[in-house]
Amino acid sequence: DAGIIQSPKHEVTEMGQTVTLRCEPIFGHNFLFWYRDTFVQGLELLSYFRSRSIIDNAGMPTERFSAERPDGSFSTLKIQPAEQGDSAVYVCASRLPRDRGPKFSNQPQHFGDGTRLSIL
Amino acid sequence: SQQGEEDPQALSIQEGENATMNCSYKTSINNLQWYRQNSGRGLVHLILIRSNEREKHSGRLRVTLDTSKKSSSLLITASRAADTASYFCATDAGYGGSQGNLIFGKGTKLSVKP
Repeated sequence: DAGIIQSPKHEVTEMGQTVTLRCEPIFGHNFLFWYRDTFVQGLELLSYFRSRSIIDNAGMPTERFSAERPDGSFSTLKIQPAEQGDSAVYVCASRLPRDRGPKFSNQPQHFGDGTRLSIL
Repeated sequence: SQQGEEDPQALSIQEGENATMNCSYKTSINNLQWYRQNSGRGLVHLILIRSNEREKHSGRLRVTLDTSKKSSSLLITASRAADTASYFCATDAGYGGSQGNLIFGKGTKLSVKP
């Protein structure tokens, strides 16, 4: 099984530039999640999709951050313009929908290796 | 804000010993999940325990859940050097048709010395 593919693995860019990160989820996973991992806060949810619709983007730190999933498959996370405080590892995850069975049925999330972003 | 809080933050043991990590959370949950992360790699799902379950086993892993105390523990028996990693608990508060998301703790860094 192919896992989640995130690109690039590392990104180094200057303040003020536009950063675009990409995530290819596991085939068939209609839920896709973007997280940010910092030393101080740990892993925090930024936004997540069900198919092509954003379900929740309350975790996006500012309007400089935006996420899209135009056809319900891959997703991009854009930071425009980037600031030094945006340096972190950005992690994508995906999962199948919950089972339609009993109330307590669930599916685990599968995670990518992340993109390490450094803003100079 | 953090939902899960792991304890201890770091744990160092010898190979063959058991490792116990604890997780406390604040709100009602649908399930609790444990993940493992090796340095520089993505999170790997270990085990999911539902709120109506009290204990679950998977190989050398044993997870307990006490919803009255809002706490969970992960026990790794007969640890190996390859178990060295960070371990995270994550809670899922979604119910039924709602599509909840995971809230992670900051993790326990486990070091198993050969």
